Amino acid sequence: AQKVTQAQTEISVVEKEDVTLDCVYETRDTTYYLFWYKQPPSGELVFLIRRNSFDEQNEISGRYSWNFQKSTSSFNFTITASQVVDSAVYFCALSVDSNYQLIWGAGTKLIIKP
Amino acid sequence: ETGVTQSPTHLIKTRGQQVTLRCSSQSGHNTVSWYQQALGQGPQFIFQYYREEENGRGNFPPRFSGLQFPNYSSELNVNALELDDSALYLCASSLMAGSIQRDSPLHFGNGTRLTVT
Repeated sequence: AQKVTQAQTEISVVEKEDVTLDCVYETRDTTYYLFWYKQPPSGELVFLIRRNSFDEQNEISGRYSWNFQKSTSSFNFTITASQVVDSAVYFCALSVDSNYQLIWGAGTKLIIKP
Repeated sequence: ETGVTQSPTHLIKTRGQQVTLRCSSQSGHNTVSWYQQALGQGPQFIFQYYREEENGRGNFPPRFSGLQFPNYSSELNVNALELDDSALYLCASSLMAGSIQRDSPLHFGNGTRLTVT
């Protein structure tokens, strides 16, 4: 069975601090896809990144970076120099097929204080 | 580019009633997926529709059913509502070719907040 664990229920940091959100996944499939989504209070899920299991390169997009490590089944997300607008619930998700029928973690609520 | 739109935004129903939620997919997308998100939890996959047919289903009972129309819009129907059905229902669209997702992420709507009393 597949599972995604986001152990951090809530994180609170002061603006400009760096923060890392953890994601650990479980699957026996060799081909799979990992995602991060952001959910602001409005409720809409905003796509941040997709990574397939054959691409272990870390990715950086502005202040956001992702560290994918198959050896530890982790796909962690770091925000550098956090801003108040980064406050949201962040979800990590897994799909073991090409249909993107996603299995989601419970989410991490990130609070950035001014 | 028109995004994913869902209606209604909020809905209050009584236990035992039936409800229909609607979703218009993003232009150019042909696949719709529905998710249920209970308060404080991650979304749970309900089902996916592709070419007007169900293309995968999560662990939800048959009283959760859906439709996809030729214009790729979709409906989620829930019969015999239970209190535990209270949740945010999210619709996501994407583009599939054959049975494979094209290189595009799922695009989500703002959801319908359903309250069952």
